[in-house]
Amino acid sequence: QVQLVESGGGLVKPGGSLRLSCAASGFTFSDHYMSWIRQAPGKGLEWISYISNSGYSTDYADSLKGRFTISRDNARKLLYLEMNSLRAEDTAVYYCARDRELDFWGQGTLVTVSS
Amino acid sequence: DIQMTQSPSTLSASVGDRVTITCRASQNINSWLAWYQQRPGKAPNLLIYKASILKSGVPSRFSGSQSGTEFSLTISSLQPDDSATYYCQQYKSDYSFGQGTKLEMK
Repeated sequence: QVQLVESGGGLVKPGGSLRLSCAASGFTFSDHYMSWIRQAPGKGLEWISYISNSGYSTDYADSLKGRFTISRDNARKLLYLEMNSLRAEDTAVYYCARDRELDFWGQGTLVTVSS
Repeated sequence: DIQMTQSPSTLSASVGDRVTITCRASQNINSWLAWYQQRPGKAPNLLIYKASILKSGVPSRFSGSQSGTEFSLTISSLQPDDSATYYCQQYKSDYSFGQGTKLEMK
């Protein structure tokens, strides 16, 4: 069965960096677009970025361009999100999800940005 | 950027009621719209994609429809398990979500 497992979240100071990972299993990872979405505490869903199945095409929410970078390793079935210059407002649960319809989601990993 | 305006923000209904949530796109998105259900503390689950296609395994009481840039999610006969927050999402140009509708049981 399709499974997505995020990791790498935690407590980081403002201005710091963090790299999230999403491990995929149960499907042919290299055939599917992948995305990152986040949800601040008590708030709605916010799309962050997507990457094409090959990794050659990426796009980002305008508000996050330049600070976040999405990448993937198809051989290892891993999706990544590199986050730099983190701010308090980046505090959220970060989800990875499959395909443009986001048909499967991971359980999420919590990122807390605080001094 | 495409904006998605979802209404209502909260909804209270009784078991057996027919419930409709609406989402309006700020521009044409064809049928590139999905609906998700999110229970507290859990990840969202896809219910419907391409405006009206039910994901396999989703109960048939859920349905989606479209009229131009206005989209609707309808639950034909509300069940206690349907208490959750529902989101629409367009995926024609980048992705963007509606603000969410919290559905509560009376």
